[in-house]
Amino acid sequence: EAGVAQSPRYKIIEKRQSVAFWCNPISGHATLYWYQQILGQGPKLLIQFQNNGVVDDSQLPKDRFSAERLKGVDSTLKIQPAKLEDSAVYLCASSLFTGSAYEQYFGPGTRLTVT
Amino acid sequence: DAKTTQPNSMESNEEEPVHLPCNHSTISGTDYIHWYRQLPSQGPEYVIHGLTSNVNNRMASLAIAEDRKSSTLILHRATLRDAAVYYCILRVANFGNEKLTFGTGTRLTIIP
Repeated sequence: EAGVAQSPRYKIIEKRQSVAFWCNPISGHATLYWYQQILGQGPKLLIQFQNNGVVDDSQLPKDRFSAERLKGVDSTLKIQPAKLEDSAVYLCASSLFTGSAYEQYFGPGTRLTVT
Repeated sequence: DAKTTQPNSMESNEEEPVHLPCNHSTISGTDYIHWYRQLPSQGPEYVIHGLTSNVNNRMASLAIAEDRKSSTLILHRATLRDAAVYYCILRVANFGNEKLTFGTGTRLTIIP
């Protein structure tokens, strides 16, 4: 079974530039998550999709971050304009089941450096 | 969300058992206890989860205290590949709106 795919793996941009990250979840997984992980910290949830609808985006800085999930499959996370503090690893995850049988599957992440 | 407390770091010798503790004194009756680990330069991966009873799988065992205010992840025979950050997470079973709130975890170092 193919895992969660993310691209690019690494990205370096200057502050005030724009950047986009792409995620392809595991086939059939209805729920998709984007996390931000700053060095030395645990992942922080940015946004959660159920199919192509947003379930939770309470921690997404909406003035500069946006995300969409087309047709309930792939997803794109965009930052515009980027700030120095956006330097982090951006992780995508997906899940299938809810309730007792619940497990999130994570991609390898995209490491963003803003200079 | 109910919080968990873990030691920042632990060390263990290779091929010996490892016991990773987690305190969750404010856990509610419907909170599941999940463990994930994150190997260097990788995304987190699921290890194990439980509700009330002890659980075993191919990766580890989860021992849950009778009052559920603490739990212990047990790696029966640590290898160098088990060096990672281990996260103990409480999850509310909110059907259709499941999510995980990560803390800073325990960084496990395996000594050859």
